[in-house]
Amino acid sequence: AQTVTQSQPEMSVQEAETVTLSCTYDTSENNYYLFWYKQPPSRQMILVIRQEAYKQQNATENRFSVNFQKAAKSFSLKISDSQLGDTAMYFCAFMNNQGGKLIFGQGTELSVKP
Amino acid sequence: DTEVTQTPKHLVMGMTNKKSLKCEQHMGHRAMYWYKQKAKKPPELMFVYSYEKLSINESVPSRFSPECPNSSLLNLHLHALQPEDSALYLCASSQAYRVNEQYFGPGTRLTVT
Repeated sequence: AQTVTQSQPEMSVQEAETVTLSCTYDTSENNYYLFWYKQPPSRQMILVIRQEAYKQQNATENRFSVNFQKAAKSFSLKISDSQLGDTAMYFCAFMNNQGGKLIFGQGTELSVKP
Repeated sequence: DTEVTQTPKHLVMGMTNKKSLKCEQHMGHRAMYWYKQKAKKPPELMFVYSYEKLSINESVPSRFSPECPNSSLLNLHLHALQPEDSALYLCASSQAYRVNEQYFGPGTRLTVT
C-alpha cells in the first residue's frame, strides 16, 4: 500500500524568505503522480503543483518548485519569496497510474510572518 | 471556468434529520468525488463517481448515500448521522477518473447535534 509522510507538522517563515516543505512516500510502482495542495484558512483546497514520476525535470509554478528524488522517494516543495497569502496547510499527495484515489500526507501548517 | 461549487456552506442537523449536500461543476468533468475532512487532518476519500456510475465506495456507512443525477451534479444524502460525522465535506472533480488533477470545491461544514 502506498503511504505519504510529511514530517513537519508546523513551520514558519518570514515574509520574502524561502521555505522548503518535506514529503516522502512509499510505493512499489514505477509510474505515478505527486501533488502539493494548499488549503488556506478559507478551507478551499487548491492545487499548487504536480509532478509525473516519469519526468526527470522538476516541476515549477512561479514561486513554487519541487525537488523530486525518485530513488529516494522524496518530493519536497520550495516556496520562494514567501508572501502572507501563502499561509495555509500544505498537503503532499500521491496518485498511482490507475488514477482516482489521492493519498494525502498529514499536512504541514505553514505560517508566513510579516 | 475551473470552479466547483458546493451548497450549503454550513449545515447544522440533528441526529434524526435528513439533509442533502450538493456539488456542481460545469467544466465537463466526468469524475466526481466526495471527501470527508476533520480539522487539521487530510481529506479522506468517501466515494468516486465516473461517468455517473459509482466506482469507489470506501466502506462508508449507509447513513451517507451518494447520488449523481447527471455529469455536472453530485449529491450526498445524509440520514441518522452521529456527532462524530461532524466534519468538512469536500467535493472534487476531474476530467476523467484516470486524469489525475482534481479540482476541489470550498466544502460544506457539517455539524451534527
